[in-house]
This record gives sequence, C-alpha cells and structure tokens, in this order.
Amino acid sequence: DAGVIQSPRHEVTEMGQEVTLRCKPISGHNSLFWYRQTMMRGLELLIYFNNNVPIDDSGMPEDRFSAKMPNASFSTLKIQPSEPRDSAVYFCASALDRSSYNSPLHFGNGTRLTVT
Amino acid sequence: GQQVMQIPQYQHVQEGEDFTTYCNSSTTLSNIQWYKQRPGGHPVFLIQLVKSGEVKKQKRLTFQFGEAKKNSSLHITATQTTDVGTYFCSRSRDNYGQNFVFGPGTRLSVLP
Repeated sequence: DAGVIQSPRHEVTEMGQEVTLRCKPISGHNSLFWYRQTMMRGLELLIYFNNNVPIDDSGMPEDRFSAKMPNASFSTLKIQPSEPRDSAVYFCASALDRSSYNSPLHFGNGTRLTVT
Repeated sequence: GQQVMQIPQYQHVQEGEDFTTYCNSSTTLSNIQWYKQRPGGHPVFLIQLVKSGEVKKQKRLTFQFGEAKKNSSLHITATQTTDVGTYFCSRSRDNYGQNFVFGPGTRLSVLP
C-alpha cells in the first residue's frame, strides 16, 4: 500500500512568492492533517480535515496560509506571500477516524521549504 | 492547557544502557499516542494507550499510562544504535477529536 504522498520533497523560493504544497492521503482515510516542524517550535498542528471539511484551523499562523481539500484524495497547503520565517518541514498526515477510537496518524515524508 | 510536556529534552546514552522519557499533562487525557522520528525522517506511530495504569510492551520498549491518566512514560531496555531518534507523545487537542498535538519530544543519542 502506498503511504501518504507529499510533493514536492524540497522547495526553495524567494520571499514574496506563492508556495503550494500537495498531499495525497492513504486511500480510505477520512482525516487529514497538516503539520509544520521547526527546531524552535517543534511539531505544530496547522489544520485538520475530516471528510474533506476543515474541522480545526486554529493552528494556521495567519491569513497568508490557506488549505483546501477538494476531494478525499487530495489536499493543498498554500502560502501567499511566503516569508523567510515560513521555512520549515511541512508534514501531511492521514488517519481513519472512527468515533470510538483514535487511530494512529500516518505521516508523509514531508516537504522541506526554504524561503530566501 | 492542552499541551503536553516531555522530559528530558535530550538524552545521550551508551549503547546497552536503558533510557526513559516522560510525558506529562496538567489535564486528564482520554488517551495518548507515542511516535518515533528518525533523523531526517517523519514521525512513525509506535503505540496508543487508553486505560488508566495500562502497560504495553514492544520488544525492548515498555509504555506506561499513569493511574490518573495525566502522564505516560516510554522505557527502552538495553538501547541500540537503531533507537536513535526523537520520541514524541501526542494527545488530541480537545481530548476527543483527532486534532492531535505533539509534545516537544525527547531526542535520544546512542553512543556505540
């Protein structure tokens, strides 16, 4: 089985440019998560979707960040305009949400974003 | 109030020594999950604990959930170089949903 697939693996861009990160969750999983990881702040939950609907976006840093999940097999995280402080590794994760049980998160390999 | 704390932040051990990391919460947890992230890798699920006082073992790893369900521990017996990585505990932000937040992690180094 294919795991969570993220693209690109690495992204280097200049300040002010738009960045779009992509994620394909594991087939059948109905929850999708975007996390950001930095040395200073650790693993931060940015947003969480359930059945393609954003449930908790309280971790989204500011209006420059937006996330969409147009269907069950695809999600994007967009940063516009990007800033150097957005440099981090961005992870997408998916899970099978069953109301009586918190299933484990399956993480993608991440996108390493560098904004110069 | 929904954060979990982990200690220690770093641990350096000689191969063969034991290792323990602790996860603490100020509020009662419905469950807790543990993940391992190898250097340059992504977090990988290890285990979930649900019941008060629960103890689970995976080979050399022993996971424990406190009686009050406010703390948890991960103990590794006789560490090996393959144990190197950062160990995270995770809880759901609102204790019932899937919006899992992660502790700061404990980074383990194992010297051969």
